[in-house]
Amino acid sequence: DAGVIQSPRHEVTEMGQEVTLRCKPISGHDYLFWYRQTMMRGLELLIYFNNNVPIDDSGMPEDRFSAKMPNASFSTLKIQPSEPRDSAVYFCASSSSGSGNEQFFGPGTRLTVL
Amino acid sequence: AQSVTQLDSQVPVFEEAPVELRCNYSSSVSVYLFWYVQYPNQGLQLLLKYLSGSTLVESINGFEAEFNKSQTSFHLRKPSVHISDTAEYFCAVRRNSGNTPLVFGKGTRLSVIA
Repeated sequence: DAGVIQSPRHEVTEMGQEVTLRCKPISGHDYLFWYRQTMMRGLELLIYFNNNVPIDDSGMPEDRFSAKMPNASFSTLKIQPSEPRDSAVYFCASSSSGSGNEQFFGPGTRLTVL
Repeated sequence: AQSVTQLDSQVPVFEEAPVELRCNYSSSVSVYLFWYVQYPNQGLQLLLKYLSGSTLVESINGFEAEFNKSQTSFHLRKPSVHISDTAEYFCAVRRNSGNTPLVFGKGTRLSVIA
């Protein structure tokens, strides 16, 4: 089993550029979560999907952030335009239905905005 | 809403010594409790979880945690640590109904000294 796959692993970009982060959940999982990790705020939920439908996006910082899940095997998180304060590690996690089921995390994308 | 407090940001300990990483939570509803471990430049891995039943839960690598409802705590312990246990440890909670997002503490960096 490949686990949750994220790409790219590292991204360095300049302020104002568009950034797209990608996630492939574990096959058969119907929940997908995007979290962000920073030194100041720790790990925070950005948005999560169930069966490709966004359930809660209250953690998305502002309109510059958007997330989509066009099918069960792919999700994107887009930042446009990017700002230095967006620098963080972005994690994708997936799980299957069932209230006690584990969330499996990908390796993360380390984003640096100069 | 739920919140998690990890009382120690860093814990240095000598190899083969015991360790306790403290975690307290706050919630108006019943929750599930988790400990995740993050090794450098990797994603989060589930260490152990409490869903129901026995309040003492164990992991395969010698860690254990005890759920204390009256003290709203879920402290992580290991009687004898190894160099390989050096990592960041995150306590997390989520509602015990449905498949809801995790709420994380700020993390505790465990450094095992030879």
